[in-house]
Amino acid sequence: GAGVSQSPSNKVTEKGKDVELRCDPISGHTALYWYRQSLGQGLEFLIYFQGNSAPDKSGLPSDRFSAERTGGSVSTLTIQRTQQEDSAVYLCASSLGMNSPLHFGNGTRLTVT
Amino acid sequence: GESVGLHLPTLSVQEGDNSIINCAYSNSASDYFIWYKQESGKGPQFIIDIRSNMDKRQGQRVTVLLNKTVKHLSLQIAATQPGDSAVYFCAENTGNQFYFGTGTSLTVIP
Repeated sequence: GAGVSQSPSNKVTEKGKDVELRCDPISGHTALYWYRQSLGQGLEFLIYFQGNSAPDKSGLPSDRFSAERTGGSVSTLTIQRTQQEDSAVYLCASSLGMNSPLHFGNGTRLTVT
Repeated sequence: GESVGLHLPTLSVQEGDNSIINCAYSNSASDYFIWYKQESGKGPQFIIDIRSNMDKRQGQRVTVLLNKTVKHLSLQIAATQPGDSAVYFCAENTGNQFYFGTGTSLTVIP
């Protein structure tokens, strides 16, 4: 079956512009996570959605970052007024829920110039 | 070996040999652990998982060992192949949160 799909795969944007990153999770997966991965670094948690519950936004680095998940499926991560330090790979993962493995997409490589 | 928060160690093995990748986790309350493989330009790929009520689990050519006493996790890859070259990292799960190590870079020498 289809895995987690992320788009675009690459995004180059100018400093100060807004960007939207999209994630299509595996059908039936109720949990959805966004992570950020910088070169040589571990995965940095950003936000977590579980079903219809309020999302856990505790990992968002600033108020320029926001995310939503519509209809319990597709999620969009928005970064406003991008900065060069936002350059990284943004990974989305979904799972069936507690004590189930995360299944990752191939990420969006964001470059802010 | 790897630990959450440390720099990326490297491991080189001859094709056909066995590989052992180690991970030290931090939270004694973590009850679920996963090993991932990440190739360049791709997202992390699930390899094998283990719950805290087990100390060993085997998959195809891979074995995960869990030692809760010393909070240590290892991944053993049998008969390592060139296609196994990648970064491997462990994840520990506590509640809804996953914590990831920075990984070990495995290079298989043909």
